[in-house]
Amino acid sequence: QKEVEQDPGPLSVPEGAIVSLNCTYSNSAFQYFMWYRQYSRKGPELLMYTYSSGNKEDGRFTAQVDKSSKYISLFIRDSQPSDSATYLCAMSAEGTPLVFGKGTRLSVIA
Amino acid sequence: DTGVSQDPRHKITKRGQNVTFRCDPISEHNRLYWYRQTLGQGPEFLTYFQNEAQLEKSRLLSDRFSAERPKGSFSTLEIQRTEQGDSAMYLCASTSGGWGTEAFFGQGTRLTVV
Repeated sequence: QKEVEQDPGPLSVPEGAIVSLNCTYSNSAFQYFMWYRQYSRKGPELLMYTYSSGNKEDGRFTAQVDKSSKYISLFIRDSQPSDSATYLCAMSAEGTPLVFGKGTRLSVIA
Repeated sequence: DTGVSQDPRHKITKRGQNVTFRCDPISEHNRLYWYRQTLGQGPEFLTYFQNEAQLEKSRLLSDRFSAERPKGSFSTLEIQRTEQGDSAMYLCASTSGGWGTEAFFGQGTRLTVV
């Protein structure tokens, strides 16, 4: 079992839909959680950062962390064609480097 | 642009040649990381520097790979005797603090070994 599991998709939704992206993990020591957006042939761009459990909202994006279930989510409201990209979850424990999921490829259709 | 800068963006090389990539982190960031990303996968950790000291290397970093960060500023990643399996995107990231602080990535160097 990989430390971080993420469904690679692809996920295709109509413009305006609410998108839910998820990752599960096995390492209970993980306490720092991030979501990155990566456009084709570009570097990852940091979207959301969360420490430990809870929710964080930034504009149309909401990140949730449920440490008891080892499950993290990213919600995108009112999705736009410009949101079409690969979304990577990443997490780390104290003293360890970021571990990434495989990424979920999202297409928002106008 | 004050983000993480990587050069070159693309590199095509023949098998067996040596290549070197450069990363310029965000100026006040003291930690610099190298990751490798292959098609359809997430980035995988290679190594990191705290200022000029290289503190950790992944088992992915074979002895053909070497990284430096002279004076704690820019960093270079060299691959000697390249192999086709080295074809990947090489990503650099920097952070201002320790583990768990936000990591900002550059645009990457895409290496193709032919």
